[in-house]
Amino acid sequence: EAGVTQFPSHSVIEKGQTVTLRCDPISGHDNLYWYRRVMGKEIKFLLHFVKESKQDESGMPNNRFLAERTGGTYSTLKVQPAELEDSGVYFCASSYGQGIGGEQFFGPGTRLTVL
Amino acid sequence: AQSVTQLGSHVSVSEGALVLLRCNYSSSVPPYLFWYVQYPNQGLQLLLKYTTGATLVKGINGFEAEFKKSETSFHLTKPSAHMSDAAEYFCAVSGSGTASKLTFGTGTRLQVTL
Repeated sequence: EAGVTQFPSHSVIEKGQTVTLRCDPISGHDNLYWYRRVMGKEIKFLLHFVKESKQDESGMPNNRFLAERTGGTYSTLKVQPAELEDSGVYFCASSYGQGIGGEQFFGPGTRLTVL
Repeated sequence: AQSVTQLGSHVSVSEGALVLLRCNYSSSVPPYLFWYVQYPNQGLQLLLKYTTGATLVKGINGFEAEFKKSETSFHLTKPSAHMSDAAEYFCAVSGSGTASKLTFGTGTRLQVTL
């Protein structure tokens, strides 16, 4: 069974440009999460989808970030326009159903560098 | 609100020595607690979790952790370190609701020396 995949693995862009990150969750997982780790700091929650609906987007930093999950399968996270402080590693995770303390399976992350 | 504190951003042990990685949490609701490990160029992998029941939890690769409510701790231990244990370890907490977001600590990088 394929795990959570993320694309690209690395992205280097100039300040002001747009970047789109993609996450493919494990097949059948309704829950999809985005997290971000800024260098040296903790991994922080960004948002949570249940199927195609945003369940919790309390962690989204500002309106330059737009997440979508059309059809309840893969998700994209767009940053437009990118700022220097957006640099970090963006993780995607997925989990099955509504199990108590259900395990979130993480992808390898996308390392974003904004110059 | 929930928070996690991991004491020690870097821990170094000798191969064969005890591994102890510290985690303290704060939670206004009964917590679910997790330890994840990240090997280089890989995603986070679940080591073990505590939800309810037995407070001593055993995980993969010989790791275990004990939930101590009175101390608000969930320290990770392994009796004998192996070179392959070198990685970054993250403690995380979620609420007792289903499919809840994880709140992570800042991580502890474990180095294992010969």
